[in-house]
Amino acid sequence: ELKVEQNPLFLSMQEGKNYTIYCNYSTTSDRLYWYRQDPGKSLESLFVLLSNGAVKQEGRLMASLDTKARLSTLHITAAVHDLSATYFCANSGAGSYQLTFGKGTKLSVIP
Amino acid sequence: GAVVSQHPSWVICKSGTSVKIECRSLDFQATTMFWYRQFPKQSLMLMATSNEGSKATYEQGVEKDKFLINHASLTLSTLTVTSAHPEDSSFYICSARMRTAYEQYFGPGTRLTVT
Repeated sequence: ELKVEQNPLFLSMQEGKNYTIYCNYSTTSDRLYWYRQDPGKSLESLFVLLSNGAVKQEGRLMASLDTKARLSTLHITAAVHDLSATYFCANSGAGSYQLTFGKGTKLSVIP
Repeated sequence: GAVVSQHPSWVICKSGTSVKIECRSLDFQATTMFWYRQFPKQSLMLMATSNEGSKATYEQGVEKDKFLINHASLTLSTLTVTSAHPEDSSFYICSARMRTAYEQYFGPGTRLTVT
């Protein structure tokens, strides 16, 4: 059974601080996705990571992938209130396009 | 590019009635469409996968006679919730994948409330 585990599930941080969300997955498929979800909305694609050592950055968010450790991280730099949302990572099983999602990390950035 | 729409965006129906949700890929042909359900404060759970012109594959625990999925064309998939009950109230999100890509493009979701 494919498992995707995120931690922490809840994160309250002050503006200007840095933090990292972790995503562990259990399959040998190394396609890893990060999404953002605002309350009442659908998913917004943030990053797609396909290979070991992949690093992608957009604004204050940076995602990386370590396929040997089956670990992806989403690093937040100098958080601002607008980053408050729920962040999901997802992984597809080997030979499959179906996504299994982590439970999500609810991020609250406090002024 | 790669826009997916859903209709309606929200719907309220009475217990025992059926409701149909449409998912359309607006600017690409969707080889595969996926249907997810999300309960409040929870993650997305895959309900079923459908390929154009073939029967949907349902995930374990999802009643295929209750959640009817039709992927009639390369741009349209429909989910019909039959004999809806209050416990079916949820946020239903579809996604679509084109043949040449692995990434899924998500629709805006449909919020279903069954009274």
